Amino acid sequence: AQSVTQLGSHVSVSEGALVLLRCNYSSSVPPYLFWYVQYPNQGLQLLLKYTSAATLVKGINDFEAEFKKSETSFHLTKPSAHMSDAAEYFCAVSLGSNYQLIWGAGTKLIIKP
Amino acid sequence: KAGVTQTPRYLIKTRGQQVTLSCSPISGHRSVSWYQQTPGQGLQFLFEYFSETQRNKGNFPGRFSGRQFSNSRSEMNVSTLELGDSALYLCASSSGTLGNEQYFGPGTRLTVT
Repeated sequence: AQSVTQLGSHVSVSEGALVLLRCNYSSSVPPYLFWYVQYPNQGLQLLLKYTSAATLVKGINDFEAEFKKSETSFHLTKPSAHMSDAAEYFCAVSLGSNYQLIWGAGTKLIIKP
Repeated sequence: KAGVTQTPRYLIKTRGQQVTLSCSPISGHRSVSWYQQTPGQGLQFLFEYFSETQRNKGNFPGRFSGRQFSNSRSEMNVSTLELGDSALYLCASSSGTLGNEQYFGPGTRLTVT
C-alpha cells in the first residue's frame, strides 16, 4: 500500500537557521508530490507541488523541495527560518488512478528566537 | 477567484444529535474532499465527491455521509454524534484530475458535549 512518512512530529530550529522537513513515500509509480502548511486555526495552504517537470521545486515564502527518486524522498527546505514559519507542515502524495491524496502525519515546526 | 468557503465556522452540538456541514468549492472545481482533523489522529480522509458521485471513501462509520449537488457544493452529515466526533472538519476542492492540487477551506470546528 502507498504510504507517506514524515520524520519527526516536531522540529525545532533557531530563527535564521536552515529548515529541513523530511518526507519519504512508498510507490512503484512516479508520484505527484505536495507540501502544505497549516497555521493555527486555519485550513491547509499549498506550499509547492512536484509534477515531474523539474526535480527541484520552488514554492511560496522561499521554501523549496527536491524530488529524489532513488531515495523516494521529497524533503522541504528553507535557507533561513523566520518566526512566521512556525506552523504544521504536511507532505502528501497522489498515486495511481484513484485521485486520492495520501497524507503524512504532519511535522510541527517550532522557531526559537 | 473566491476561495473555498465552509459554513458554519464553529458549531457546538450535544451527543446524539446530528449535524450538517456545508462546503462551497472554487468555481469550476468538480471535486470536493472532506477531512477530519484531530490532535490525536491527524488528518483523516472521509470521502471525495466528483460530479455528484462519491469517488473515494475513507474508513469512517456510516454515521458519516455526504453528498454533492449539481453546482458542486457539498454537504457532509454526521448522525448520532459522539464525543469523539469533536474535530476540525476540512473541505478541499480541486479540478478532480490526476495530480491536481487541493485547495482547502478554513474548516468547521465541531465540538460535541
